[in-house]
Amino acid sequence: GAGVSQSPRYKVAKRGQDVALRCDPISGHVSLFWYQQALGQGPEFLTYFQNEAQLDKSGLPSDRFFAERPEGSVSTLKIQRTQQEDSAVYLCASSFSAGRIYNEQFFGPGTRLTVL
Amino acid sequence: GENVEQHPSTLSVQEGDSAVIKCTYSDSASNYFPWYKQELGKRPQLIIDIRSNVGEKKDQRIAVTLNKTAKHFSLHITETQPEDSAVYFCAASYSRGGNKLVFGAGTILRVKS
Repeated sequence: GAGVSQSPRYKVAKRGQDVALRCDPISGHVSLFWYQQALGQGPEFLTYFQNEAQLDKSGLPSDRFFAERPEGSVSTLKIQRTQQEDSAVYLCASSFSAGRIYNEQFFGPGTRLTVL
Repeated sequence: GENVEQHPSTLSVQEGDSAVIKCTYSDSASNYFPWYKQELGKRPQLIIDIRSNVGEKKDQRIAVTLNKTAKHFSLHITETQPEDSAVYFCAASYSRGGNKLVFGAGTILRVKS
């Protein structure tokens, strides 16, 4: 079956532009996560959804970052007024589990954002 | 919050030798420890995981050990092959934290043939 997909795969933005990154999780997966991976580093947690509810947004670096998952499936990560320090790979992951039962997180290929 | 440290940052081994990567975590509530392999430009892929009620788990050439008292866990790869060359990340998570993963900084493994 299809895995997690993300679009676009690459995005170049001028500083100050707004960008929107899309994630299509595996069908039926309840949990959805966004991570930011800087060059040469491990992924860092941004935010977490259980169905359409955003239960944890503690990792969002500033109020310029906003995420939504209105119907509990596709999610969009929006970055307003992009800055050079926003340049990174943005990874989306989904898992079947919810609550206290833990299942594997399946990652998408990521969107590489470059802010000039 | 949780913090995961990973060592070494780079590791070069000869084909056929073993490789060991070590991680420590800070939050004693963590109860799930996956290892991901990431090839250049590709997505992270789970290679093995372990839960806190188990001390060791093995899958063919790959094994993971967990010491809850010391709060560290290790990845062991035996009989390394060139295709094992990649970046390996350890991570920690606990279910009450929403299952978010806290990753180590990664280990670049090079297997020389």
